[in-house]
Amino acid sequence: SQQGEEDPQALSIQEGENATMNCSYKTSINNLQWYRQNSGRGLVHLILIRSNEREKHSGRLRVTLDTSKKSSSLLITASRAADTASYFCATGFTGFQKLVFGTGTRLLVSP
Amino acid sequence: DSGVTQTPKHLITATGQRVTLRCSPRSGDLSVYWYQQSLDQGLQFLIQYYNGEERAKGNILERFSAQQFPDLHSELNLSSLELGDSALYFCASSGGRVRAGEEKLFFGSGTQLSVL
Repeated sequence: SQQGEEDPQALSIQEGENATMNCSYKTSINNLQWYRQNSGRGLVHLILIRSNEREKHSGRLRVTLDTSKKSSSLLITASRAADTASYFCATGFTGFQKLVFGTGTRLLVSP
Repeated sequence: DSGVTQTPKHLITATGQRVTLRCSPRSGDLSVYWYQQSLDQGLQFLIQYYNGEERAKGNILERFSAQQFPDLHSELNLSSLELGDSALYFCASSGGRVRAGEEKLFFGSGTQLSVL
């Protein structure tokens, strides 16, 4: 399957702590995107990193991409209760006209 | 608000029935995507349309079909429904002016389908 896999499947932290989630994929990609999904609602785009980029920042988000290891990580710094959600990586594969989503990480941030 | 509108929000029906899910993309977006999200399969890509034409096909069953109309809204038709079709169905849109998979998607709030 081309589907990416997030690790861990679930993560529970306290407010103020950092949250790191990882995504691994199997084939060459054009780009990798991260999305957030609040319980049962639509996904919201967070950040896009291209295959020739190694790191990207957006507010409290930091994304890294290691194409040699076929992996990416999303770091959320100084987590807030409002960050509680599921986070998905999505990959745009070379030659494929679609975005493939991973299995997701459920993040719980407790006050 | 993503600007993508999906109706209905909830749909309860019986096995063997047929339903139609509707999606209006963001103003100006030419591409519409349909995804199915279930607990055991995750988020699965079904099909993509660009300016009225099918552009990419994923794990869409033969019982399912979709189309995009001249006004760019899209409909996903699900027929001969089975219990296993119960899922959250999302529509997403994008500009579509670059290669699919290279631009961010804007998702609707989904249609929760329950087949009893």
